[in-house]
Amino acid sequence: DTAVSQTPKYLVTQMGNDKSIKCEQNLGHDTMYWYKQDSKKFLKIMFSYNNKELIINETVPNRFSPKSPDKAHLNLHINSLELGDSAVYFCASSQDGTAVYYGYTFGSGTRLTVV
Amino acid sequence: ILNVEQSPQSLHVQEGDSTNFTCSFPSSNFYALHWYRWETAKSPEALFVMTLNGDEKKKGRISATLNTKEGYSYLYIKGSQPEDSATYLCAFILSFGAGTTVTVRA
Repeated sequence: DTAVSQTPKYLVTQMGNDKSIKCEQNLGHDTMYWYKQDSKKFLKIMFSYNNKELIINETVPNRFSPKSPDKAHLNLHINSLELGDSAVYFCASSQDGTAVYYGYTFGSGTRLTVV
Repeated sequence: ILNVEQSPQSLHVQEGDSTNFTCSFPSSNFYALHWYRWETAKSPEALFVMTLNGDEKKKGRISATLNTKEGYSYLYIKGSQPEDSATYLCAFILSFGAGTTVTVRA
């Protein structure tokens, strides 16, 4: 199936731990993104990579570090997890650099709960 | 990050009734506006891409219009059905609105 797939779907972890969320797309898109769904259900851009290069880095704590080994993968690593990091994180991809014309294809989301 | 606003935040509609809601966005330097449908526990799915002033797009009972000069788009649902219950998001470049959550009562 052509899609954006992210794993895990659910992640429960203790404060202070380090965790990663993986994302892969087989759509041939050049650009991938991480969005965070906040407590008010807004989708807020965190990072964007175009062909392995970081092009957008919004005001996100340094504990969050994206890694793109190739243009089909964009992983999100979070160090020293805090309670406030609990949220749903969505990976997405698009054909164009800022999803201006072609929009996004989203992964199914990862619900992160920090306890 | 651009200011994209949607109203109302939520709507309750009786099955068979029609409804509409709004997305407003910065009217300068328009590129394209996207509508997504987001069902609970799923990921947002693309509905429409609107690119030209006066555009009207239709998919079944759902349609959308675009006014780039005044910076708004309307989404219409005609003859609402329970399966139309979802949150409808609009997106302008990298920014999403907060969504309008539609609940259709049988």
